Amino acid sequence: ETGVTQTPRHLVMGMTNKKSLKCEQHLGHNAMYWYKQSAKKPLELMFVYNFKEQTENNSVPSRFSPECPNSSHLFLHLHTLQPEDSALYLCASSPRDNNEKLFFGSGTQLSVL
Amino acid sequence: GESVGLHLPTLSVQEGDNSIINCAYSNSASDYFIWYKQESGKGPQFIIDIRSNMDKRQGQRVTVLLNKTVKHLSLQIAATQPGDSAVYFCAENIKTNNNDMRFGAGTRLTVKP
Repeated sequence: ETGVTQTPRHLVMGMTNKKSLKCEQHLGHNAMYWYKQSAKKPLELMFVYNFKEQTENNSVPSRFSPECPNSSHLFLHLHTLQPEDSALYLCASSPRDNNEKLFFGSGTQLSVL
Repeated sequence: GESVGLHLPTLSVQEGDNSIINCAYSNSASDYFIWYKQESGKGPQFIIDIRSNMDKRQGQRVTVLLNKTVKHLSLQIAATQPGDSAVYFCAENIKTNNNDMRFGAGTRLTVKP
């Protein structure tokens, strides 16, 4: 148990669907992140939030829309995704938004049909 | 060895032996490095970190070595156990983007009983 919980663990969606990924951290951290992990590719940073404010958007397509209502919760809203968006989406938190010593959740395995 | 974006190298060791996992990093200006462990079905887990003002750091059964001259990082695991079987990632603070950590592709360690 890392203190970072992601739901759902698995998600299958069609290209016209709208779905949301949820992340909650119980560590009292100030920063939260979304990462994408594709097969045979390194982890890719998508978004960074610090004290609920977005501090980084790593050129992510607008079909991915993050939301951070407070320092403990992070959402990733998905709409009109493409099959190439199928991947493991990992949420992480850290005490500060310097990307150091990340605590990761177990991820949501997303399949886009 | 390990390089960003390439195929996933594998390392197979006998239980009780020492393991050495290597990583070549890309940016000579990087000043902070982390090793993560990712077990099947889980997110990456922080193992140990090192800053560029050090060349060695030890944890419990793990040692990280940093050679800045050749931009090489290694993780040594002493008395490897079956529970150490996982994918190991190195990450560097590339300093060319705001707080972005660049992750390697990972090395899969398999421990044979």
